[in-house]
Amino acid sequence: GAVVSQHPSRVICKSGTSVKIECRSLDFQATTMFWYRQFPKQSLMLMATSNEGSKATYEQGVEKDKFLINHASLTLSTLTVTSAHPEDSSFYICSASRLEHYNEQFFGPGTRLTVL
Amino acid sequence: GENVEQHPSTLSVQEGDSAVIKCTYSDSASNYFPWYKQELGKRPQLIIDIRSNVGEKKDQRIAVTLNKTAKHFSLHITETQPEDSAVYFCAASIRADKLIFGTGTRLQVFP
Repeated sequence: GAVVSQHPSRVICKSGTSVKIECRSLDFQATTMFWYRQFPKQSLMLMATSNEGSKATYEQGVEKDKFLINHASLTLSTLTVTSAHPEDSSFYICSASRLEHYNEQFFGPGTRLTVL
Repeated sequence: GENVEQHPSTLSVQEGDSAVIKCTYSDSASNYFPWYKQELGKRPQLIIDIRSNVGEKKDQRIAVTLNKTAKHFSLHITETQPEDSAVYFCAASIRADKLIFGTGTRLQVFP
């Protein structure tokens, strides 16, 4: 158990467009979902934390109006990159935690975003 | 805020040798310390974790030690194999669920 999926796995878009990435917990209800960004050869940087039905908590330096997070249910969170620019090109990874596994996060496979 | 430092950034070993990666955290309230292995373009995979009430944990060739006083923890891989080659990340949790990652160590195991 504890499988997390992401869709799409890869997306290429033009500068100025918006891109939505979905994160789903397939076999459990996630108490919290997290969104990370990872640039090439760098570490995972936490962007925001979201709980179902409430507003996401963004990390310092992450623009909440640019990276819109919606957590509509206990199994689905979405990240929308609005007005994407080439510098937003990155590997976006979501994770989910479950009440029975305190602290442990289960990671999605990631989404490679390329903005032309 | 919480900061996690990780060393070395790269590590090359001969197959069969041991590899050690060290991390230091800043927030003494941290209570959960996982280690992840990440292959290129893939998700991080949890390989071992330790909680603050334990000093050492072992799983076959992998072990983790925690020194709460010094605020550092280490990953030990024995009898390394070429398939151990990957990037390894440590992380620390400063409160329930939120993880702060180290900068990563690229491990290369030469046959």
